[in-house]
Amino acid sequence: RKEVEQDPGPFNVPEGATVAFNCTYSNSASQSFFWYRQDCRKEPKLLMSVYSSGNEDGRFTAQLNRASQYISLLIRDSKLSDSATYLCAVHSGGGADGLTFGKGTHLIIQP
Amino acid sequence: EAGVAQSPRYKIIEKRQSVAFWCNPISGHATLYWYQQILGQGPKLLIQFQNNGVVDDSQLPKDRFSAERLKGVDSTLKIQPAKLEDSAVYLCASSPNGEFAATYEQYFGPGTRLTVT
Repeated sequence: RKEVEQDPGPFNVPEGATVAFNCTYSNSASQSFFWYRQDCRKEPKLLMSVYSSGNEDGRFTAQLNRASQYISLLIRDSKLSDSATYLCAVHSGGGADGLTFGKGTHLIIQP
Repeated sequence: EAGVAQSPRYKIIEKRQSVAFWCNPISGHATLYWYQQILGQGPKLLIQFQNNGVVDDSQLPKDRFSAERLKGVDSTLKIQPAKLEDSAVYLCASSPNGEFAATYEQYFGPGTRLTVT
């Protein structure tokens, strides 16, 4: 089983719809979780940190399910500008702080 | 606040040549990371520095890759000799995580796109 897994998509979603992605992780000791957005030929940009209680930022909601070892990202009222690749990243704790990334989920918002 | 700076942005070399990339992290960030991102994949950690010390280089192919952060600020990553499979984007990231901060949020630079022919 890969450390961090995501459905690569693409997810083709009409503008205004709600879309959700999941990301599973294999290391139960993982401590911190993040969603990054990456546009074509650009660097990943931090979208949200994912807290145990879940968190919301405008149209974006992130949830953590430790029991089932997955995190989710929900986008409401999707915009054309939301089209991008969404990368899930996991920090496993210990002295090394590098993130383990999934391959990303490609989202296409259609007009 | 200025972001992570990297140079060059693009580099094309032939296999067996050497290449070096430079990174300047966000001011005050103690921790610096180099990642390799192959097309269609997520970034993969190569090495992590905290200040000028190496914290994790377990995934760095040390027979051909080397990195340093001598003064605890900017860093260079070198590949010598390059192979075709090194074609990728090399991303530098920094984090305030260190002795006085405990956050693992990382901020990425624009990357260097390396093509090995």
